[in-house]
Amino acid sequence: GENVEQHPSTLSVQEGDSAVIKCTYSDSASNYFPWYKQELGKRPQLIIDIRSNVGEKKDQRIAVTLNKTAKHFSLHITETQPEDSAVYFCAASIGGNFNKFYFGSGTKLNVKP
Amino acid sequence: GAVVSQHPSWVICKSGTSVKIECRSLDFQATTMFWYRQFPKQSLMLMATSNEGSKATYEQGVEKDKFLINHASLTLSTLTVTSAHPEDSSFYICSAGPRDEQFFGPGTRLTVL
Repeated sequence: GENVEQHPSTLSVQEGDSAVIKCTYSDSASNYFPWYKQELGKRPQLIIDIRSNVGEKKDQRIAVTLNKTAKHFSLHITETQPEDSAVYFCAASIGGNFNKFYFGSGTKLNVKP
Repeated sequence: GAVVSQHPSWVICKSGTSVKIECRSLDFQATTMFWYRQFPKQSLMLMATSNEGSKATYEQGVEKDKFLINHASLTLSTLTVTSAHPEDSSFYICSAGPRDEQFFGPGTRLTVL
C-alpha cells in the first residue's frame, strides 16, 4: 500500500516568516494530495489540495507544490500568523473518486508572535 | 465544502458495553465513507471503508467483529464498538465527500472506564 512520510514533526517560526512542510509518497499511482489543518480537539479541515496533473497551486498565503518524478509534495505558508498554529497533515490518495487516503504523521506548527 | 456530522461528540461507557457512533453526510450522498481512529498527538489511522449496500472493508490489523460498520443509506454510516475495553478509548472520526475531496466529521471521543 501507499506510504506517506511527513517532515518535520514540529516547526516553530516567528510571526511573518514562512513555513514549509514536506511529504513524500511511495506509490506512483497516487494522484490526489490534500492538506489538512487540525486545531486541538477539532476536526481536520481541508486547506488546499493538488492533483497530479498540476505542479503548483496557490490560495492566498498557502501554496502546494508537487514533484511527481521525485514523489514529493510540499505545503508553503507565507506571512505566518499566530492563528496558523495547528497540526498539519498531508495525505495521498490512489486512483479516482472515493479512494482511501493515506495520511502523513503530522507537523505541529507553532507561530510565535 | 461539504458537511459531515457525527454523533455523539463524546461518550463515556463501562467496559464490556457496546457503543454506536453515527456519521452523516448532510448535503450530499455518500456511497463511501471512511472511519479513522486518532490517538493523542498522532495521525489519523484509517480503520475501514464503509460502502453503502455492501460489506465494509477493513484495514490490516483492525478487528471487523470488534468494530462493526453498517452503511444502510446514502447519508448514514454507523460504527459500533462492541464489548469496549479501556484500550478502545480514542478519538473516532469519519470522513466522506461528494467527489475525491474528503470532509471530516467533528469526531467522537470515546472513553471506556
